[in-house]
Amino acid sequence: TQLLEQSPQFLSIQEGENLTVYCNSSSVFSSLQWYRQEPGEGPVLLVTVVTGGEVKKLKRLTFQFGDARKDSSLHITAAQPGDTGLYLCAGLSGTYKYIFGTGTRLKVLA
Amino acid sequence: DTGVSQDPRHKITKRGQNVTFRCDPISEHNRLYWYRQTLGQGPEFLTYFQNEAQLEKSRLLSDRFSAERPKGSFSTLEIQRTEQGDSAMYLCASSLGVPGQGARSRAYEQYFGPGTRLTVT
Repeated sequence: TQLLEQSPQFLSIQEGENLTVYCNSSSVFSSLQWYRQEPGEGPVLLVTVVTGGEVKKLKRLTFQFGDARKDSSLHITAAQPGDTGLYLCAGLSGTYKYIFGTGTRLKVLA
Repeated sequence: DTGVSQDPRHKITKRGQNVTFRCDPISEHNRLYWYRQTLGQGPEFLTYFQNEAQLEKSRLLSDRFSAERPKGSFSTLEIQRTEQGDSAMYLCASSLGVPGQGARSRAYEQYFGPGTRLTVT
């Protein structure tokens, strides 16, 4: 069974702090996606990484895909209250099945 | 393009009743997925359609659950004889799988609808 483990599970930080969320697996994925989800809503796609070692930056968010395409990280610089939410990674296994991580619940305090 | 839509957004039902949810994917997407999500957890895969064909169904899906995608457009998920354990968020997602284009492609990005929150009392 393929699993994606995220850490930490919960994170509560002050506005302006930096943080990193990790997504780890023993399996290789074709690509990996990161989502943010707010209560009562569906996950919203943030980024897709497809190449081992790839780094993508979206404003204050930096995403990295591991060289072996088994793990990924999300780094947020100078977190803001609007970053609060559930962060999910999802790996594409094969050509159609997505395996979701366990989620990281982030709360940024003003 | 209005994205993936789901209806209803919320459903409260009594145990033993049947419920049906609808998902309208992004129009050009040939792939459609149903997931179930409980509070604080990541989505769990339920089933997958490529066009109108249901190609995979999770073992999580008991025989009380059935999904269809007639004509390869919208999809419905029906739960018969609901139980309290069925209470969850039911999410639909769609993607554009392009034959011949490698899975390591952004064409396989998956987009979610807002979900249907089911409460079984």
